[in-house]
Amino acid sequence: LAKTTQPISMDSYEGQEVNITCSHNNIATNDYITWYQQFPSQGPRFIIQGYKTKVTNEVASLFIPADRKSSTLSLPRVSLSDTAVYYCLVGDKGNTPLVFGKGTRLSVIA
Amino acid sequence: DAGVIQSPRHEVTEMGQEVTLRCKPISGHDYLFWYRQTMMRGLELLIYFNNNVPIDDSGMPEDRFSAKMPNASFSTLKIQPSEPRDSAVYFCASRKTGNPEAFFGQGTRLTVV
Repeated sequence: LAKTTQPISMDSYEGQEVNITCSHNNIATNDYITWYQQFPSQGPRFIIQGYKTKVTNEVASLFIPADRKSSTLSLPRVSLSDTAVYYCLVGDKGNTPLVFGKGTRLSVIA
Repeated sequence: DAGVIQSPRHEVTEMGQEVTLRCKPISGHDYLFWYRQTMMRGLELLIYFNNNVPIDDSGMPEDRFSAKMPNASFSTLKIQPSEPRDSAVYFCASRKTGNPEAFFGQGTRLTVV
């Protein structure tokens, strides 16, 4: 499994756009990039998955450069309720077990 | 669907006692995962099943831990005997083959005193 590196923590004010970058230098050709979100006292929740370029859904956008050695999760106009830990995972689309790193703890401040 | 259901939500037990955690995956999902989460070690994968068969149990910390999946709708994680260092939140998750989205239960908070 490709190793991922992401910042331990980030702070942001409400209403700002937050970008969390994940490095995955050893990503394999068949690997996808998946992001999960975990609120306190809850299990992780799937946010978004992508392979290349840009993916957008109602929650976030995922930007993946051509070399795919990194990816950026973008959260538009965060609110206090976006305070959570965000995990970046790399693996094949659906069959590899989910292995979580330390994640990025995002704190949104009023 | 009610999602992944875990029981109990909280468990307090004395050291040396047997603890059994239960999980009901989402119907139709063929992968089931057991995780343990602590502040120190983060979210660790303990074991996972595919079509009720254990595929990888390399994350199980020691022989005191065992997991079973007798059918597609039920799995257990057992700790015998329990120790204070087993205190953690244990999550169960399920996923369908080819789908990137795994669904997690609410977790069982285990405290061993």
